[in-house]
Amino acid sequence: AQKITQTQPGMFVQEKEAVTLDCTYDTSDQSYGLFWYKQPSSGEMIFLIYQGSYDEQNATEGRYSLNFQKARKSANLVISASQLGDSAMYFCAMRGGNSGGSNYKLTFGKGTLLTVNP
Amino acid sequence: GAGVSQTPSNKVTEKGKYVELRCDPISGHTALYWYRQSLGQGPEFLIYFQGTGAADDSGLPNDRFFAVRPEGSVSTLKIQRTERGDSAVYLCASRTGMNTGELFFGEGSRLTVL
Repeated sequence: AQKITQTQPGMFVQEKEAVTLDCTYDTSDQSYGLFWYKQPSSGEMIFLIYQGSYDEQNATEGRYSLNFQKARKSANLVISASQLGDSAMYFCAMRGGNSGGSNYKLTFGKGTLLTVNP
Repeated sequence: GAGVSQTPSNKVTEKGKYVELRCDPISGHTALYWYRQSLGQGPEFLIYFQGTGAADDSGLPNDRFFAVRPEGSVSTLKIQRTERGDSAVYLCASRTGMNTGELFFGEGSRLTVL
């Protein structure tokens, strides 16, 4: 079974600064995938970034980067140059590997509420 | 639209009533998921369809919950004898192929049981 832990219920950041949202995971699978989703107040889950367990380089997508530390089982999201529109809930999620048939569904953490201050 | 569509967006019902929530996935997506998100929590897996069949329904909390996808496209989540604890946002997601496994979500159906 997979488990995702997000220890920061809420985070504040000043506009234009960078912020790191923490995520640790637990799995016995050798192959797995890690995701970050953004959920604004409208409720829709918006995909941000993906990191495969065998990817040697950290994933980047525009202002988003994933700080993947496999040995520590952490997959922190870094948002650079924060914007007011970044204020939202952020969820870390994991897709398992092939063992136990867990390679098709995502397990989510409890989320972190990010507030960007002007 | 090209995204996942869910109806109704809001549903208020009385305890004991029957409700149906509909999901129209992205065209061509063979995999469809239902998740439930309670206040202050992350989405929790309910059921997964590959085509018309439920490949995994291990997340359904009890036998009052049932979902169908008869033609491999639109899916309906059905809840019988609703209870106040069923109040939540029900999210539907779909995906194509396996690639990264990214799920595309709808905006959800907010269910309130009075």
